[in-house]
Amino acid sequence: DTGVSQNPRHKITKRGQNVTFRCDPISEHNRLYWYRQTLGQGPEFLTYFQNEAQLEKSRLLSDRFSAERPKGSFSTLEIQRTEQGDSAMYLCASSLDYYEQYFGPGTRLTVT
Amino acid sequence: GDSVTQMEGPVTLSEEAFLTINCTYTATGYPSLFWYVQYPGEGLQLLLKATKADDKGSNKGFEATYRKETTSFHLEKGSVQVSDSAVYFCALSDQHSSNYQLIWGAGTKLIIKP
Repeated sequence: DTGVSQNPRHKITKRGQNVTFRCDPISEHNRLYWYRQTLGQGPEFLTYFQNEAQLEKSRLLSDRFSAERPKGSFSTLEIQRTEQGDSAMYLCASSLDYYEQYFGPGTRLTVT
Repeated sequence: GDSVTQMEGPVTLSEEAFLTINCTYTATGYPSLFWYVQYPGEGLQLLLKATKADDKGSNKGFEATYRKETTSFHLEKGSVQVSDSAVYFCALSDQHSSNYQLIWGAGTKLIIKP
């Protein structure tokens, strides 16, 4: 198993454009989490899936953000009409039930 | 709500010095506690964990003991190396919550000088 992978690793986009990130969790993990991390801060929870069901979304996740996990495998996080305040590292983690979460390398988004 | 507070960094030490990074938490339930480490340019890696009071987590020479009476989970290492330079995050997860999301401290940057 190669662990959690995320693509792309870096994304630079202009304000107002849409972006989509992908996360591939560890294969047997049924839970998948998205977090956002800004410089000098700890990660902030955005949303999580148990299998294909999105069970909770943070208030941080505005209507411009949407996440999917079709078939309970990989997940995508889309941001529509990006704003400069969306610039951050987007982290994906997976776990087997309530056991520890394993993180991917993250996708660094820069909105210009 | 639940929260985690860690000592501010950066913490700068010489090689072979003793390390302590303080972490305290507030939780209404029965949290599990974690230390994650983030090396430059890399993702978060689980360093150690403890799931109940008085448990000691240990890995790579690092240790932390779950102290319920002081609501603390301080990270210690007896002799640090240059390769330990990284950002260290303390986090908790309440197993009685619905999603086990991790609640994080702000991170402590550790700089080890040769």
